[in-house]
Amino acid sequence: EAGVAQSPRYKIIEKRQSVAFWCNPISGHATLYWYQQILGQGPKLLIQFQNNGVVDDSQLPKDRFSAERLKGVDSTLKIQPAKLEDSAVYLCASSLERGRGQGFYEQYFGPGTRLTVT
Amino acid sequence: EDKVVQSPLSLVVHEGDTVTLNCSYEVTNFRSLLWYKQEKKAPTFLFMLTSSGIEKKSGRLSSILDKKELFSILNITATQTGDSAIYLCAVNSNSGYALNFGKGTSLLVTP
Repeated sequence: EAGVAQSPRYKIIEKRQSVAFWCNPISGHATLYWYQQILGQGPKLLIQFQNNGVVDDSQLPKDRFSAERLKGVDSTLKIQPAKLEDSAVYLCASSLERGRGQGFYEQYFGPGTRLTVT
Repeated sequence: EDKVVQSPLSLVVHEGDTVTLNCSYEVTNFRSLLWYKQEKKAPTFLFMLTSSGIEKKSGRLSSILDKKELFSILNITATQTGDSAIYLCAVNSNSGYALNFGKGTSLLVTP
């Protein structure tokens, strides 16, 4: 079974530039997550989709970050304009859809994109 | 605010040693606790714990949850250099779908 795919793997940009990351979840996984992991910290959720709808984007800095999941499969995360503090690894994860009364399904992570903002 | 605290933050051991990693949490409406191993980039799933006192095992790794005292431990016996990684603990609560991660424990196993 193919895992979660992400691209690019590395990106270096200057502050105030824009950048976009792409994620393709595991086939059949309705739920998709974007996490930001700053060096020395655990991943922090930015946004969660179920199919093509947003479930939780409470920690997404909406003045500069945006994400979409058209057609409920692939997703893109964009930063515009980037700041120095956005330097981090951006992880995409997916899981089976969590329905009412069902247990929590473990999340499977992609390899991440390491962003460096100079 | 939900909190997940891991200890120690880093650990260096010799091959063959046994290690115990700790994770304590404070969350409203706890649902499950998960352990991940992170080498280089992507965290890989190890265990999911939902019930107190039931040990989960996979080879040399095992984990148990204490819902009364709000903590979990991850044990690794007969450590190998390939066990060197960051071990992440995460908690899921009924208040959301996302995982709330701790900062991780960085384990280095020396030959």
